[in-house]
Amino acid sequence: KNEVEQSPQNLTAQEGEFITINCSYSVGISALHWLQQHPGGGIVSLFMLSSGKKKHGRLIATINIQEKHSSLHITASHPRDSAVYICAVPRAGGAGADGLTFGKGTHLIIQP
Amino acid sequence: GAVVSQHPSWVICKSGTSVKIECRSLDFQATTMFWYRQFPKQSLMLMATSNEGSKATYEQGVEKDKFLINHASLTLSTLTVTSAHPEDSSFYICSGSDYGASNEQFFGPGTRLTVL
Repeated sequence: KNEVEQSPQNLTAQEGEFITINCSYSVGISALHWLQQHPGGGIVSLFMLSSGKKKHGRLIATINIQEKHSSLHITASHPRDSAVYICAVPRAGGAGADGLTFGKGTHLIIQP
Repeated sequence: GAVVSQHPSWVICKSGTSVKIECRSLDFQATTMFWYRQFPKQSLMLMATSNEGSKATYEQGVEKDKFLINHASLTLSTLTVTSAHPEDSSFYICSGSDYGASNEQFFGPGTRLTVL
């Protein structure tokens, strides 16, 4: 069963700072998910990646399959980026219809 | 990305009553739907996996007779919390996937259940 560790648990930064959130997992996977959860609870899927790097606006996600590690970066951070960011991987690691195991999340606060 | 809706977004009910939560995939066919729950200040946890037309597979510790899941069509899955108790108060989120097209899961907005 896959286990997910995220760091840091909490992060407070000033507007404009470059943000990095890290995720490590224990079992080889087909793809890793980065999710965003706002205070109301709703989940938004940011990225699903299986190799290399993906970019969407100010968000960048990278993954190193060999090292079982992924990072989420936010460039030019803004107060509206304040949210909980969650890393998730398939429970058993493989492809196919498998539920996800979630990290505990990184609570990010961007101060103006 | 594809859209998944959930209804209701929140519900308050009395102990002992049953509550049904609907999860719909609006613009894709969800061959598989997952139900997760999140207790306050905890991680999301998988409750069950359902494939269209089949019985759901429940995770260890999740009572199948208490949390009834129906996935009768490729666009609709329902979770019924039977005889709800205050300890069932939680945030319930569904996700849908068409594993024929991709491994991506698309999440609903969630349902906050409060049992008095």
